Amino acid sequence: LAKTTQPISMDSYEGQEVNITCSHNNIATNDYITWYQQFPSQGPRFIIQGYKTKVTNEVASLFIPADRKSSTLSLPRVSLSDTAVYYCLVGSINTDKLIFGTGTRLQVFP
Amino acid sequence: DTEVTQTPKHLVMGMTNKKSLKCEQHMGHRAMYWYKQKAKKPPELMFVYSYEKLSINESVPSRFSPECPNSSLLNLHLHALQPEDSALYLCASSQVNRGGSEQYFGPGTRLTVT
Repeated sequence: LAKTTQPISMDSYEGQEVNITCSHNNIATNDYITWYQQFPSQGPRFIIQGYKTKVTNEVASLFIPADRKSSTLSLPRVSLSDTAVYYCLVGSINTDKLIFGTGTRLQVFP
Repeated sequence: DTEVTQTPKHLVMGMTNKKSLKCEQHMGHRAMYWYKQKAKKPPELMFVYSYEKLSINESVPSRFSPECPNSSLLNLHLHALQPEDSALYLCASSQVNRGGSEQYFGPGTRLTVT
């Protein structure tokens, strides 16, 4: 199972772009990369998922280099409501196991 | 309806009590999960049900007993818990049980064991 490493915390200001990187050196061929957001006392919420290159949806982009040993979640123009913990998750389509990373606590200031 | 509901929201129980946590989804998902989350830590997978059969048990103590009565419901029966079992218990569901499947989480049950 691929172990993930993320920065413990990050600070930003409203309107800025935030990039959170996740390291997963042991990622396997069949592993997907998924990011979740969690607010205090709530369950995590799916943000985005990818396998390689770049994926974009209405809230974020996910960049995955060719070697797939890391990935970067990009949040454009953050607001105060983006203050949360962000988890990087690596999961294989061949197993039932999902392991959350340590999480990055993002604090957005006015 | 993309909601996973959990009851109760809060639960306080003594070490000799028996209680149950309930989870429900009506999205037609065939995989359901129980996670345990301690403060400032990531969720830890406890159990996975796939097509109403237990497919993963992450070496969880027997004082936690899962049950999946049907494809929409998931229970977690609690008995003789310890204070260190106090945590947020999260239920989730996904279309199928695969590592790449998007999981939908409920709001959790905040459990305190006294």
